Amino acid sequence: GENVEQHPSTLSVQEGDSAVIKCTYSDSASNYFPWYKQELGKGPQLIIDIRSNVGEKKDQRIAVTLNKTAKHFSLHITETQPEDSAVYFCAASVGGSARQLTFGSGTQLTVLP
Amino acid sequence: ETGVTQTPRHLVMGMTNKKSLKCEQHLGHNAMYWYKQSAKKPLELMFVYNFKEQTENNSVPSRFSPECPNSSHLFLHLHTLQPEDSALYLCASSQDRGTSSYEQFFGPGTRLTVL
Repeated sequence: GENVEQHPSTLSVQEGDSAVIKCTYSDSASNYFPWYKQELGKGPQLIIDIRSNVGEKKDQRIAVTLNKTAKHFSLHITETQPEDSAVYFCAASVGGSARQLTFGSGTQLTVLP
Repeated sequence: ETGVTQTPRHLVMGMTNKKSLKCEQHLGHNAMYWYKQSAKKPLELMFVYNFKEQTENNSVPSRFSPECPNSSHLFLHLHTLQPEDSALYLCASSQDRGTSSYEQFFGPGTRLTVL
């Protein structure tokens, strides 16, 4: 089955700096890669996703890049703000389906004022 | 709010108790999921229901028993749990179209503690 590894497990950045979280996956058939943000006391919420027919996707301060050859994808947050502090999860799925997501173990991001 | 509600938000139970977790989605979705979230571990998919039919059961012990009476409601019945079952249990829903499925919307979870 699919295996997703996520690094780092914790990340602290100064407000205004950029944050990068990286994930690798094992199943070359995976072609859907969402990123979720989980704030304290809430369930995960989708913030951005990418499918394997594109290499990069951007939404305001958030971007995701995908390298299918190396089987890794990354989340980039620019101009970080305190409200970006949360746990971020990457996931991967085969067949373009969100039904069978395999999640990474999460990254606790802390943005220091 | 994501349109997915879960009750109760917190539950403490003994190993001999029987309790149920409830999930309701107000999004008109046709697929619902149960996940287990333990500290420092990835989310673990437990069960998937599509059009009220269970399509996935990821080797979950029989002390967890799901029920999906309709496409808007999902239950997780618990009995004779173990302390290692203490975790955050998350419900999610999505709209499936053929072999494709899109964004999963998560509820806030039920924090379960087994004494």
